[in-house]
Amino acid sequence: DAKTTQPPSMDCAEGRAANLPCNHSTISGNEYVYWYRQIHSQGPQYIIHGLKNNETNEMASLIITEDRKSSTLILPHATLRDTAVYYCIVRPAFPNTGNQFYFGTGTSLTVIP
Amino acid sequence: EAGVAQSPRYKIIEKRQSVAFWCNPISGHATLYWYQQILGQGPKLLIQFQNNGVVDDSQLPKDRFSAERLKGVDSTLKIQPAKLEDSAVYLCASSSPTVKSQLFGPGTRLTVL
Repeated sequence: DAKTTQPPSMDCAEGRAANLPCNHSTISGNEYVYWYRQIHSQGPQYIIHGLKNNETNEMASLIITEDRKSSTLILPHATLRDTAVYYCIVRPAFPNTGNQFYFGTGTSLTVIP
Repeated sequence: EAGVAQSPRYKIIEKRQSVAFWCNPISGHATLYWYQQILGQGPKLLIQFQNNGVVDDSQLPKDRFSAERLKGVDSTLKIQPAKLEDSAVYLCASSSPTVKSQLFGPGTRLTVL
């Protein structure tokens, strides 16, 4: 069963920041927060992950609350190509192979021109 | 670096027929995963291999699904006999200790009529 809760859908204007929330109130101390996205008819694509510090890469920023019970994925300047389903997942960091990767149903983000 | 390869990309069969999917992971990735994604849902793990050994197949319907990774490289997933509810996208992913997460292939879309 998924350990995260995400809104089913969100809209964002092109060029604006998209802020996607995720609740993971039962996260364990050794579990990371991972974000993936899935563009229509493609396999899921890794975006970013973090433990407790905020993280940034070329695709996005990840903000994790101090109590680690929730996080926000930020796409700083959303484009039409960012329209996708975004999944928030918690699990121990790779290469730990002992836990399943539960995707849940994610948030369907639509970027509007 | 070449990505995870899967074939075929699409398959249509009648119920009770058999079908097989092939996956070639990224070179050097010891861990291989097969997922099933039903329309409107997130991917669900079916089986996980570490080299040619099974790590987790708890979600695999073993009465009709089988998978193998004989030489620890490529893998096949078979369904025999297929049911209508097996219509889904079958995703293959791989990972290694040096990568941050799972990397997915494009998937095979199966339609059972």
